[in-house]
Amino acid sequence: AQKVTQAQTEISVVEKEDVTLDCVYETRDTTYYLFWYKQPPSGELVFLIRRNSFDEQNEISGRYSWNFQKSTSSFNFTITASQVVDSAVYFCALSEDRGATNKLIFGTGTLLAVQP
Amino acid sequence: EAGVAQSPRYKIIEKRQSVAFWCNPISGHATLYWYQQILGQGPKLLIQFQNNGVVDDSQLPKDRFSAERLKGVDSTLKIQPAKLEDSAVYLCASSLRADASYEQYFGPGTRLTVT
Repeated sequence: AQKVTQAQTEISVVEKEDVTLDCVYETRDTTYYLFWYKQPPSGELVFLIRRNSFDEQNEISGRYSWNFQKSTSSFNFTITASQVVDSAVYFCALSEDRGATNKLIFGTGTLLAVQP
Repeated sequence: EAGVAQSPRYKIIEKRQSVAFWCNPISGHATLYWYQQILGQGPKLLIQFQNNGVVDDSQLPKDRFSAERLKGVDSTLKIQPAKLEDSAVYLCASSLRADASYEQYFGPGTRLTVT
């Protein structure tokens, strides 16, 4: 069965610290997609990244980087030099390739608080 | 490009009352989703539409929840009668196509409080 685990419920850091958000997933499919979304206090989920199961290259986008490791079923997210604006709930999600259906399975989220 | 629009943003009702939420997806997006997000949890899919047809409603409590997407654009989600456990944020999302490689874009949500 599909499952996404975000074991860190809350993380608090001081501005400019680096922080890593963990995500572990379970799936029996060989083709699947992993996502990270950011949910600021306004409530809207903001798409950050999509990764397919055949692409294990790490990705960097500005201060954000993602480490995908199929061997450990993990898709971790690192923010370098955190800023107060990074404060939000971050969700990791999984979607299996099932043709017309596209259900996102979300983890429970990690609340990141960046203190000035 | 305009994002996903939802209304109302907030709603407070008493249990056993009915309520309806509206969603307007991004122009040209064929696939529309309704998610329920209970406080402290990740969103859970309630229903997925492809144009005006239902693709997946396996997690929709059909005894009290209904949804439609007339003309394949706007969508409404209704709860009748509401229960206390329906208190949650209801998120609408849309994607260009249905398959898993396309990201879903979310609206601001409707926060429902049932008293």
